Amino acid sequence: DAEITQSPRHKITETGRQVTLACHQTWNHNNMFWYRQDLGHGLRLIHYSYGVHDTNKGEVSDGYSVSRSNTEDLPLTLESAASSQTSVYFCASSKRQDYGYTFGSGTRLTVV
Amino acid sequence: AQKVTQAQTEISVVEKEDVTLDCVYETRDTTYYLFWYKQPPSGELVFLIRRNSFDEQNEISGRYSWNFQKSTSSFNFTITASQVVDSAVYFCALILMDSSYKLIFGSGTRLLVRP
Repeated sequence: DAEITQSPRHKITETGRQVTLACHQTWNHNNMFWYRQDLGHGLRLIHYSYGVHDTNKGEVSDGYSVSRSNTEDLPLTLESAASSQTSVYFCASSKRQDYGYTFGSGTRLTVV
Repeated sequence: AQKVTQAQTEISVVEKEDVTLDCVYETRDTTYYLFWYKQPPSGELVFLIRRNSFDEQNEISGRYSWNFQKSTSSFNFTITASQVVDSAVYFCALILMDSSYKLIFGSGTRLLVRP
């Protein structure tokens, strides 16, 4: 069965370190997204990609970057982790707008 | 700009009560989809329903029902005879049928169903 997986599920890192969160989907979806979830804010879009070598900034992209070298993967990198980036991160993919998104299980990141 | 508002931050009900979760959206586009997702305590996001902007028919699925009214830009979700397992955070979301695939979420409503 097709799926979308995120790793790790939980991570603790120190301020200033570079961190990469993985997202891998086997749906063959061109569209992939990264969201962060914080209390009182719902889910906010960080970065998104419409296909290989395409990346775009979302509403809260500062301090984050993504790259898309193949259809299946969209890793999210925190260049220099800050305590404000402590959050739950969700990856999602989509074939078409009317299908909505398929979400991964989330990564809980704590920056200490 | 597009926006989704879920004014109810948290709702607490006793089991078997009916409860309605409100969702109000803003967009100037005429073609869009609305969604509801459930996030149980385990954390995953579970798709519940999608509705396109041209279909204002209400929908019922078991104890769940959805009322879509374009005149008031609302897409409310009602749980009839609530159960403890309904305890979760519920998100309403909007996506436009343009070249953007971005799903815009409300801030969520936390529902607590007490036994």
